[in-house]
Amino acid sequence: GAVVSQHPSRVICKSGTSVKIECRSLDFQATTMFWYRQFPKQSLMLMATSNEGSKATYEQGVEKDKFLINHASLTLSTLTVTSAHPEDSSFYICSAHRGAPPYEQYFGPGTRLTVT
Amino acid sequence: QKEVEQNSGPLSVPEGAIASLNCTYSDRGSQSFFWYRQYSGKSPELIMFIYSNGDKEDGRFTAQLNKASQYVSLLIRDSQPSDSATYLCAVHRQGSGYSTLTFGKGTMLLVSP
Repeated sequence: GAVVSQHPSRVICKSGTSVKIECRSLDFQATTMFWYRQFPKQSLMLMATSNEGSKATYEQGVEKDKFLINHASLTLSTLTVTSAHPEDSSFYICSAHRGAPPYEQYFGPGTRLTVT
Repeated sequence: QKEVEQNSGPLSVPEGAIASLNCTYSDRGSQSFFWYRQYSGKSPELIMFIYSNGDKEDGRFTAQLNKASQYVSLLIRDSQPSDSATYLCAVHRQGSGYSTLTFGKGTMLLVSP
């Protein structure tokens, strides 16, 4: 399989501050990365698709100005949660695929965000 | 609305038994099918994928695909307590300028010693 890392693994921040989460593909180039959010005991929810060198595509209901995504290189995508609020507390997971069939996605270990 | 349906479970099986996890999908244009395992508090881990009708075996796991019935399943032989997790079915479709992977909500598997 492929390796995807995320940093940080856990973060606690105060309400109103911004938090940046990094997602890296370590052993392959990822033209496309994905950002998911998962609340406790709920299913994965796709937030946005991040394409290298272009704007991210956000899913319906996800505020693009609140969740800023930058995919600056073929191995790095970042998600910035701006002006975080307690309701943004969740498990954020990124994934990436190689851009070739069968397009399997490899997930990072996730970032647990707690907003106080 | 492209959907992937899974029974939420929990599916309870005794240790050593065969666990059978099922998934149906609505998009006939789907091309690849994946099974992920997710332990509580962890991110999903790819178990295996399948894209041709029939069976595909990998160790204790067998994926089965029937495109005519729009059905994909995962069999786990000799189930172990460590297999207790939520199993996510995912369906992929690739087109001109887009690539979508749609996840089911997952089936929780409990393997009792």
